[in-house]
Order: sequence, then structure tokens, then C-alpha cells
Amino acid sequence: KAGVTQTPRYLIKTRGQQVTLSCSPISGHRSVSWYQQTPGQGLQFLFEYFSETQRNKGNFPGRFSGRQFSNSRSEMNVSTLELGDSALYLCASSLNVPGAGNTIYFGEGSWLTVV
Amino acid sequence: KNEVEQSPQNLTAQEGEFITINCSYSVGISALHWLQQHPGGGIVSLFMLSSGKKKHGRLIATINIQEKHSSLHITASHPRDSAVYICAVSPLGNQFYFGTGTSLTVIP
Repeated sequence: KAGVTQTPRYLIKTRGQQVTLSCSPISGHRSVSWYQQTPGQGLQFLFEYFSETQRNKGNFPGRFSGRQFSNSRSEMNVSTLELGDSALYLCASSLNVPGAGNTIYFGEGSWLTVV
Repeated sequence: KNEVEQSPQNLTAQEGEFITINCSYSVGISALHWLQQHPGGGIVSLFMLSSGKKKHGRLIATINIQEKHSSLHITASHPRDSAVYICAVSPLGNQFYFGTGTSLTVIP
């Protein structure tokens, strides 16, 4: 079956703009989570959605937001982009809560460059 | 403060060597994950552990919940094992804390 699909794979934005990234989870997976990866900070948790509800949120400013649709597809949005937002944004899906024994599957990521 | 500490940060090995990567964490967890990331970004989950030991091919992962420590072992290492290995702990659902990763290079 198809894996986790993220679009776009690469994008360049200007400071002050906003960006929307999309994630389609594996069919049947209801949990979608988002992560930011930078050389300086490594991987950091952004937020997690389950059945259209945000269940967990990491320590990021309000400029970072997300949502999940009824078909479990998810989007994340970053407004008023800053240079420091340049990163690899990864989406992952699982059947349910990974700690409850569900393996997590990552997408290939979206590389965002802010200039 | 780092909830997850990994060592070593970088590791170079000759093909065939036995490799160990260590992970210590400071929070209570429901699960620990070992992840593999190849150049280009894609991440693959190798193991999910809540106790004991798991084996998949040449890879073995162990966890000691009391000591809050896990190890990833690679037996008979191969150049295709070259990647970044990341330890991640899950205190609650998908809210992972990640280690900084171990960059492994296996030389033929």
C-alpha cells in the first residue's frame, strides 16, 4: 500500500510569506504528526492530530498551525516566515497512539528554504 | 535540557564490525523508537520497544526500563548501514523527544 505522502517536496519562500504543507497518511491511519528537523536543533515535535482533533502540541510559536481533515489528510501552515524556519518538515502517521504499540511511518519530508 | 542523550555522535566502522549505539533518557516513557535516516531525509522506524529485546535481521535493540537506557546493535556491519540513527522516546502518544542522532559510516 502507498506510504505517507508529503507535498511539496521542495519549496523556497521569502521572509514574511506563509506556507502550507500537505500530508496524506497511510490508508487507515488516523494519527498524523508533524516534526521539524534542522541541523542545529535536530528533530522536534510540532503537533499531532487524531480524528481531526489536535491531541498534542510541541513548543513552537503560534505561527505554526495545522489541521486534519475527515479523510485523515493533514496540512500544516507556517505564517510570517522567518529565516530560522528553514528546515525539513516531516509528517508521520500511525494507526493510533504509537505508545500503544503502533509503529510510526514517516514521509520523505518537505524541504523548506526561507530567503 | 535534553530528555534524550545519544552516543556516540559520530561513528566510523570497518565493514563486518559489531556496532553499538547507546541512548539514555530522563522521562517516563510508553515506548522507545529507533529510527534510521538516510541522506535525502526519509526516516524509517526500525524498532519500537517498551521492554526487553527485539531482533530484525542483523539489527538488535534492547531496552532497560529501570535504568532508562537502550542500545541498538548492528552485527556484521555493511556499507548500506551507513545512515543517521535516531533514538526517540514517547512519553505520551506521538509527542516524541528525539536524540541528536548518531551518524554511522561503514567503510568497505
